[in-house]
Amino acid sequence: SQQGEEDPQALSIQEGENATMNCSYKTSINNLQWYRQNSGRGLVHLILIRSNEREKHSGRLRVTLDTSKKSSSLLITASRAADTASYFCATEYGNKLVFGAGTILRVKS
Amino acid sequence: DAGVIQSPRHEVTEMGQEVTLRCKPISGHNSLFWYRQTMMRGLELLIYFNNNVPIDDSGMPEDRFSAKMPNASFSTLKIQPSEPRDSAVYFCASSPREASRGEQFFGPGTRLTVL
Repeated sequence: SQQGEEDPQALSIQEGENATMNCSYKTSINNLQWYRQNSGRGLVHLILIRSNEREKHSGRLRVTLDTSKKSSSLLITASRAADTASYFCATEYGNKLVFGAGTILRVKS
Repeated sequence: DAGVIQSPRHEVTEMGQEVTLRCKPISGHNSLFWYRQTMMRGLELLIYFNNNVPIDDSGMPEDRFSAKMPNASFSTLKIQPSEPRDSAVYFCASSPREASRGEQFFGPGTRLTVL
């Protein structure tokens, strides 16, 4: 089974609203990463948070990590239509990076 | 920087034919990964190389799949013979670090359709 699982599976919001996506994982990790995939494109790295970090910011992105609950969240503030994409969390499993099933975000203008 | 380059972008072939997908990683990156993405199974790691050496090929589904990295700037993923269930988008990614330690840079993918 996959190491990371996102929820919700799909999210539809209005432009300007905030979007929150969650990721749960099963085993201890050194870091957790979030990626974005636009339709028909490859994945693009957004942010990496290490296991000793609790929160990290990058522009309109805010990522939190709770290692006690084995969960992470990605918050996109003031969403834009261009944020429409699939978002994946990725965690280590052995020597691999394992991706969750993703959250499909649709931002309506 | 051109990023990770994959070719072809689209491939349509008939069952039983050999398919070769190509990847040029970002210069200076020493790890290369091949992934397969389908609606049913999501994004799966097939194989990864470090310094041109295959490190983990446990994700390669069957003997019909093989991958090579003859030098630091080129890798191939071959399927022989191809089957309809191999239809998927195949991504190549590279990283300046080993495996899961850091950011991976993805190519645009090759969409394979096996009829």
